[in-house]
Order: sequence, then C-alpha cells, then structure tokens
Amino acid sequence: SAVISQKPSRDICQRGTSLTIQCQVDSQVTMMFWYRQQPGQSLTLIATANQGSEATYESGFVIDKFPISRPNLTFSTLTVSNMSPEDSSIYLCSVGPGGTEAFFGQGTRLTVV
Amino acid sequence: AQKVTQAQTEISVVEKEDVTLDCVYETRDTTYYLFWYKQPPSGELVFLIRRNSFDEQNEISGRYSWNFQKSTSSFNFTITASQVVDSAVYFCALRDTGKLIFGQGTTLQVKP
Repeated sequence: SAVISQKPSRDICQRGTSLTIQCQVDSQVTMMFWYRQQPGQSLTLIATANQGSEATYESGFVIDKFPISRPNLTFSTLTVSNMSPEDSSIYLCSVGPGGTEAFFGQGTRLTVV
Repeated sequence: AQKVTQAQTEISVVEKEDVTLDCVYETRDTTYYLFWYKQPPSGELVFLIRRNSFDEQNEISGRYSWNFQKSTSSFNFTITASQVVDSAVYFCALRDTGKLIFGQGTTLQVKP
C-alpha cells in the first residue's frame, strides 16, 4: 500500500491568483496522477507526472493552466494558475504502485471567489 | 475505447434495506482491473475493492459484496442491511495504463 499526504486540504482563493497543491508519498512510485472533480461530477484525469520528464496532459488540460512538477519519486505539485470560479473543484493526487493498485490523497477542496 | 457506466445517478433506501449499485464497463484489454470507491461528504476517496479480470469469484466483506461477470461486463456492488453511514457517492473505475477511468458515480442516500 501507499500513504499519500496532500495539502492543503482546502483553500479559498481570489480569482486571478494561483494555488500550488502538494502531494507526498511514503514510497517511491514511477507515476503520479492528478485528477479534478468538479462539483457534482465524476473524477477526470488532468495529467500523469513521471519523474524526470514533462507531465502528460489529457485532452482539455494544458500546461500553462496546470503546471506540474515532479522533482523526485515521492513528491509532486500541481499548480492551478490564473484561477476563475470554474476552477472550484476537488483536486486529488493518486499513485498506482505495482501497476495494479490505485491510492488517493485526501484531496484539496478549492473554492475560487 | 475504455468506458465505465453507472446508470443509477441516485438511489434512496430506508435503513436495513439491501441495495445494489450497478457498474458496466467497456474495454478491449484481456487483463484489466476494476475498482470501487466510496466518497463521503468530506471528499476523500475510500478504497473498497480491486478485482482483476482473471478472478471472477464473488467477494464478500462484511455487509459488502461484489458480483463480477465478464460475460456481461458488469461489476455490481451490493450493500446488505444498509446503514445511514453508507450514505455517500460510490464510484466504479477501470484501470487503463495506470490511470483510472471513472463512472459518473451513484449517490446513495440511506434514510433512518
């Protein structure tokens, strides 16, 4: 198993600002995933973060809006840039050690006002 | 294309009733993994079960049970004798090259 610490757990931000979300894993993992869950919706993958290479973004998500860092095998950050109220969501990081499992952080509940 | 369908958007039951949450998936892979998660109002995702495509045995864990049928591409979840604490959103998901593809979720409300 893997234990994931994600912070902040929640934040209220002003539109036009940026927020960086941190994800720390208690073991080394190759891939880390970032998901977004808009209010009342399901989870959608934003990007896959591999250590030592640029993140791979899903359709509809761009690096300028959601820059991701992956400095080592246990840590990643997701930045939500130039926020608007439409960015109000829960953001979750996830890891899948062994290629068959899927563990999630506690999530970051973001409200943009 | 990989896809997960949870046709039930919302289910409401009275405490102690049994309830089944449906999940139908689409995949071309012969080896795949299916998951169920619970999401209470606090927002975190609570892992419930993982099932690989080679294991079609039904599984029971306390009041929870899962019925996996490859012939119908379904992975249904039953809660026996539901309780108010079971109220949450439940997601079925399919693993695809590391990432998860989620269904739309089923909101379960258990009334006292």
